[in-house]
Amino acid sequence: SQQGEEDPQALSIQEGENATMNCSYKTSINNLQWYRQNSGRGLVHLILIRSNEREKHSGRLRVTLDTSKKSSSLLITASRAADTASYFCATVPYTGRRALTFGSGTRLQVQP
Amino acid sequence: NAGVTQTPKFQVLKTGQSMTLQCAQDMNHNSMYWYRQDPGMGLRLIYYSASEGTTDKGEVPNGYNVSRLNKREFSLRLESAAPSQTSVYFCASSLTGVKEKLFFGSGTQLSVL
Repeated sequence: SQQGEEDPQALSIQEGENATMNCSYKTSINNLQWYRQNSGRGLVHLILIRSNEREKHSGRLRVTLDTSKKSSSLLITASRAADTASYFCATVPYTGRRALTFGSGTRLQVQP
Repeated sequence: NAGVTQTPKFQVLKTGQSMTLQCAQDMNHNSMYWYRQDPGMGLRLIYYSASEGTTDKGEVPNGYNVSRLNKREFSLRLESAAPSQTSVYFCASSLTGVKEKLFFGSGTQLSVL
């Protein structure tokens, strides 16, 4: 079963607008990571946020983590057509299998 | 640096045939992983190798075997391919485990007829 679930499944916005994607998970985590996948390509790591962190920034990306609600959000500000991709959250559990568990992703379409 | 290299990029098999997917990384990473990606399902872990000499089952290991040949290489074998194994397969690696980011290969598109 999927540990992380992204919402919405698909998002279409205009260039220059902000895009927000949400991720919910089920069990306690060590860290949560966000990845991007361009069509037909492998995944690329965007940002990692640890369980004791609440917010993290990287360029136009802002990630928040609320461990009490078991949720995270990824905000892309001033979006560009090149941001068109699928975005996945992935979690690392505190116990159990020592591997990332991915959600099903959000497909972001940025219209020029 | 090439990063994570997967071969082949595309493969078509008939039901019952066998094949091995190859993966190599040149970043001196200790941990390596095999995922499959099906439409609308995200990535699911097949097998992983936390360090050279160890392998462990992931979420969907049935029908697959793996070999951690050395620190650089981690192969995935389908002994008797089934149509349900039609998928895109990704290999990934990380420096010391899942507490750090993963680096992914470009994937293998496998179709089993």
